[in-house]
Amino acid sequence: DAGVIQSPRHEVTEMGQEVTLRCKPISGHNSLFWYRQTMMRGLELLIYFNNNVPIDDSGMPEDRFSAKMPNASFSTLKIQPSEPRDSAVYFCASGTANQPQHFGDGTRLSIL
Amino acid sequence: KQEVTQIPAALSVPEGENLVLNCSFTDSAIYNLQWFRQDPGKGLTSLLLIQSSQREQTSGRLNASLDKSSGRSTLYIAASQPGDSATYLCAVRSTGNQFYFGTGTSLTVIP
Repeated sequence: DAGVIQSPRHEVTEMGQEVTLRCKPISGHNSLFWYRQTMMRGLELLIYFNNNVPIDDSGMPEDRFSAKMPNASFSTLKIQPSEPRDSAVYFCASGTANQPQHFGDGTRLSIL
Repeated sequence: KQEVTQIPAALSVPEGENLVLNCSFTDSAIYNLQWFRQDPGKGLTSLLLIQSSQREQTSGRLNASLDKSSGRSTLYIAASQPGDSATYLCAVRSTGNQFYFGTGTSLTVIP
């Protein structure tokens, strides 16, 4: 299995631009998680899906952030418009009930 | 709100030493607790998952314990090796299906 695949690995863009992060979970996993990691705040859960349905989005910082999971093999996290304080590493993880989460290698996002 | 604390924030030990990493949480209403390691520039790798009904889990040189009533978990690493150098994070899944991570312990094992 290829594991959780995230793209792009790095993204540098100017503030105000739309940013789309992509994630392909491990086949057979029915839960998908989006996290953000910064030095200041550590690792924060933004949103998670179960069977493609958003279960908890209370960690999404504001309306500029949105996430979708149109099918079991793909999810996106979108930021529009982006701001410098959104700069962070964004991780996607997938799993099943009672089993460990498997993380992707992350997208390092820099907003100038 | 659940708070997860890891102490110490950083630890440096000589190769071969046994060591203990600590994780504490404020709300005992948890579903499970998980220990991860994170290497620089990488995502998290799951090490051990302990369900709320369990007291400990073992994998190779790693042993994790859970005392839900006191809100504590420890990760014991036996005979440490330089390859164990990484940041170790614990994460709590609450019964309300919220996930909370500690800020991690950065471990350096000196050859």
